[in-house]
Amino acid sequence: EAGVTQFPSHSVIEKGQTVTLRCDPISGHDNLYWYRRVMGKEIKFLLHFVKESKQDESGMPNNRFLAERTGGTYSTLKVQPAELEDSGVYFCASSNTPGQGGYTQYFGPGTRLTVL
Amino acid sequence: RKEVEQDPGPFNVPEGATVAFNCTYSNSASQSFFWYRQDCRKEPKLLMSVYSSGNEDGRFTAQLNRASQYISLLIRDSKLSDSATYLCVVNEREYGNKLVFGAGTILRVKS
Repeated sequence: EAGVTQFPSHSVIEKGQTVTLRCDPISGHDNLYWYRRVMGKEIKFLLHFVKESKQDESGMPNNRFLAERTGGTYSTLKVQPAELEDSGVYFCASSNTPGQGGYTQYFGPGTRLTVL
Repeated sequence: RKEVEQDPGPFNVPEGATVAFNCTYSNSASQSFFWYRQDCRKEPKLLMSVYSSGNEDGRFTAQLNRASQYISLLIRDSKLSDSATYLCVVNEREYGNKLVFGAGTILRVKS
C-alpha cells in the first residue's frame, strides 16, 4: 500500500512569492491533516479535513495560508505571500475513520520550505 | 507551559543499555497517546500507542498514568538502529483529531 506522498520535497522561494504544496493521502483515508515544524520548535497542527470539509483549522497561522481538498482526495496548501517566518517543514498526514484502524495518523515525508 | 513536555536530552547510551523517556501533558481531556520516532530529516513514524494498562512491543514498553498526566517509554537492550528522536504525542480528540507533539528527545546509541 502506497504511503502519504508530498510534493515538492523542497522549495526555495523569495519573500512575497507564492508557493503551493501538495499532499496525496493513503488511498481510502478520509482524514487528512497538515502540520508544520519551524526551526527549533515542535511539530504544530495546522488543520484537519474530513473528506473535502475542513473539520478543524484552528492551527492555521493567518490568512496567507489557504488549504483545499476539492473532491476529498489530494490536498493543497498555498502560502501567499510567503514570509521569512513561514520557513520550515510542512508535513501531511492521513488516517482512516474510527473503527477501521482507529485514529493512527501516517505522515508523509514532508516539504522543506525555505523563504529567502 | 508547553502542552506536551519531554526530557530535554540528548541521551547518549552504549549498546545494550536500558533507557527511559518521560513525558507530561497538560490537557486532562486528552484521549489517546503515542510515541512516534523520527529519524533525521524524515517524517515521524508511529512507534507505539500508549494505553493505561501499559503495553509492550518487543524491547519497547510504554506506560500511561492519567492521574499524573505522565507517559513513559522504556527501551531495553538498545541497538545502534534505535538512534533517533522520540516524540511524545497526545491526541486532543475534543478538537476533532489534533495531535499535539512534544519537542522530542534525541537518543544516540553508541558501540
